[in-house]
Amino acid sequence: DTAVSQTPKYLVTQMGNDKSIKCEQNLGHDTMYWYKQDSKKFLKIMFSYNNKELIINETVPNRFSPKSPDKAHLNLHINSLELGDSAVYFCASRKGGTSYNEQFFGPGTRLTVL
Amino acid sequence: QQQVKQSPQSLIVQKGGISIINCAYENTAFDYFPWYQQFPGKGPALLIAIRPDVSEKKEGRFTISFNKSAKQFSLHIMDSQPGDSATYFCAAYTRGFGNEKLTFGTGTRLTIIP
Repeated sequence: DTAVSQTPKYLVTQMGNDKSIKCEQNLGHDTMYWYKQDSKKFLKIMFSYNNKELIINETVPNRFSPKSPDKAHLNLHINSLELGDSAVYFCASRKGGTSYNEQFFGPGTRLTVL
Repeated sequence: QQQVKQSPQSLIVQKGGISIINCAYENTAFDYFPWYQQFPGKGPALLIAIRPDVSEKKEGRFTISFNKSAKQFSLHIMDSQPGDSATYFCAAYTRGFGNEKLTFGTGTRLTIIP
């Protein structure tokens, strides 16, 4: 009964490969996010989706392509992986609306590019 | 450009002591200020949050103090316990029309020693 789940938890791959991370939420939320947490623990938003529509793209390289097949899922595909992509990627979701609603984070996917 | 500045980067407090983490912001469009707690290997989780029209909010041992004119806010953890050892992030919320987002501080690694 995990609220926000991500797969895989760990991902180790070679430079230049393409990989995907999947996220699912069972909270009935309509807004989902991807965040990147670097080695210094800095959390930065990458994308947000509202009702399957891309809303925020924080100047992320176009090697990163999010896809939302439905409101409960937001996947992240990364092409031509680079060493600098090594980080922990968090998915999050919240109930939409202009008022502040709590964001719920997934457990993270630790990506290591060799 | 770091929109939410957080200090200190790391903090060691004795059990039973008071832990204090400070944050400052520039953007007056921020209108909600949550704190997130992150344990190793887990995603961040909401701890406590405050609206800018309130100067203090207390939940159990956790208190946020907010100074709107100085654009500063802080988290106080009273009677700190070893279980409080985690990384703490302040954040600021930007209200929008579908593009609401959280901007995080750089994080404080808190260690409570017996």
